[in-house]
Amino acid sequence: DAGVIQSPRHEVTEMGQEVTLRCKPISGHNSLFWYRQTMMRGLELLIYFNNNVPIDDSGMPEDRFSAKMPNASFSTLKIQPSEPRDSAVYFCASIRRGINGELFFGEGSRLTVL
Amino acid sequence: AQSVTQPDIHITVSEGASLELRCNYSYGATPYLFWYVQSPGQGLQLLLKYFSGDTLVQGIKGFEAEFKRSQSSFNLRKPSVHWSDAAEYFCAVGRSGGGADGLTFGKGTHLIIQP
Repeated sequence: DAGVIQSPRHEVTEMGQEVTLRCKPISGHNSLFWYRQTMMRGLELLIYFNNNVPIDDSGMPEDRFSAKMPNASFSTLKIQPSEPRDSAVYFCASIRRGINGELFFGEGSRLTVL
Repeated sequence: AQSVTQPDIHITVSEGASLELRCNYSYGATPYLFWYVQSPGQGLQLLLKYFSGDTLVQGIKGFEAEFKRSQSSFNLRKPSVHWSDAAEYFCAVGRSGGGADGLTFGKGTHLIIQP
């Protein structure tokens, strides 16, 4: 089985530009999570979806960030406009809800905002 | 709110020596606890998890961890490390009791292996 697939793996952009990160969860998984990893703050949960519905977006830093999950096999995290402090590695993870479910992570999207 | 503390930012161990990485958690109910490993440029891989039952849990790559409720700890151990174990290690607690609502992670411990 393919794992969680994220794209792009690396993105370099200039301040003010729109950034879109993409995630394809593992087939059959019904919950999806977006995390951000920085040296200062570690791994932070931004938002998660159950059955494509956003459940908790309290970790989204501000209105410049938005996330969607139009179907069970695709999610996006958008930053508009981007700022240098958004530079981080963004991870997507998915899980099949139930007893002993395991959270699987993608390899991350490394974002650099100049 | 739950939290996880990994008191050691860096640990250096000689190859073949034993390893213990510390993890303390704060959670009001029975916790769901996890250890993940992250190699450079990679995502996180689950090493082991504790949900209930035996407080000593075995994981992949020869790792084990022991849940101690009285100490609010879930320390990771390995009897003999290999150079390939050099990586970042994260302890995590399941939000709302289970991992399916997301995990709260510690800041991580960077493991360095000396030849």
